[in-house]
Amino acid sequence: QVQLQESGPGLVKPSETLSLTCTVSGASISSDYWSWVRQPPGKGLEWIGYIYYNVNTHYNPSLKSRVTISVDTSKKQFSLKLRSVTAADTAVYYCAREGRYSGYDFADFWGQGTLVTVSS
Amino acid sequence: DIQMTQSPSSLSASVGDRVTITCRASQSISTYLNWYQQKVGRAPKLLIYGASTLQGGVPSRFSGSGSGTDFSLTISSLQPEDFATYYCQQSYETPLTFGGGTKVDIK
Repeated sequence: QVQLQESGPGLVKPSETLSLTCTVSGASISSDYWSWVRQPPGKGLEWIGYIYYNVNTHYNPSLKSRVTISVDTSKKQFSLKLRSVTAADTAVYYCAREGRYSGYDFADFWGQGTLVTVSS
Repeated sequence: DIQMTQSPSSLSASVGDRVTITCRASQSISTYLNWYQQKVGRAPKLLIYGASTLQGGVPSRFSGSGSGTDFSLTISSLQPEDFATYYCQQSYETPLTFGGGTKVDIK
C-alpha cells in the first residue's frame, strides 16, 4: 500500500520560504509522478505542481516564480519550497501520488495534509 | 488555464436519495476528468477517473459520465458516509484545475 507523509514547520513568517517534505513508502519514487496540492482554510483545492524523477516538473503558473519541487530518491522523499510567502499562502498542504493508467492521470494516494500558517 | 465550474455549490439530501453533481469545463477536455470526495479534516479521496472509471474499492453507487465539456457524478442511493464535499478536476493539461466543490449535507 502506498503511503505518504508530509512534514515541515507549521508556522512560517511572511517573506520567508515554506519548506515541506513528503516521505513515500510502498512505491518507487523514481518511477511515478508526485504532486503538491494545497487548500486554504474553508476553501477549495489548488494544484501547485508535480515532478517526475527530477527530470520533469510542471508548476502552476500562478505560483511558478516562487515554487520548486524536487526529489531525493535516496531518502524516498520529495519536497516543496515556496518562496516569499504571504498570508495568502496559509493552507493545508497535501502531497499525492499521480497514478497513471490508460493515458489518464489522477491523484490516487494522498498524505494526510499539514497546515502551514504564514504569520509573524 | 481551464476553468472548472461545479453546480450546485451545495445541496441537502436524505439517505437513499439519488444525487447528481455537474461539472463544466471551459474548453473540451475529452474524458480527462476526475472526481474526488473530501470529508472534513481529511485528504481528498479519488472516486472516478477518466470521467467514468470507478477507482478500486469505491462503491458502485457512485458513477460518472460525460465528455467534452459537460460531466456529472451520480450517487444512486445516498448513504450516511457519503456526506462530504465533492470536487471535479481536469487532467487534460497543466495546470491541473479543480472545480469549486459541491458540499452534500443532510436534509
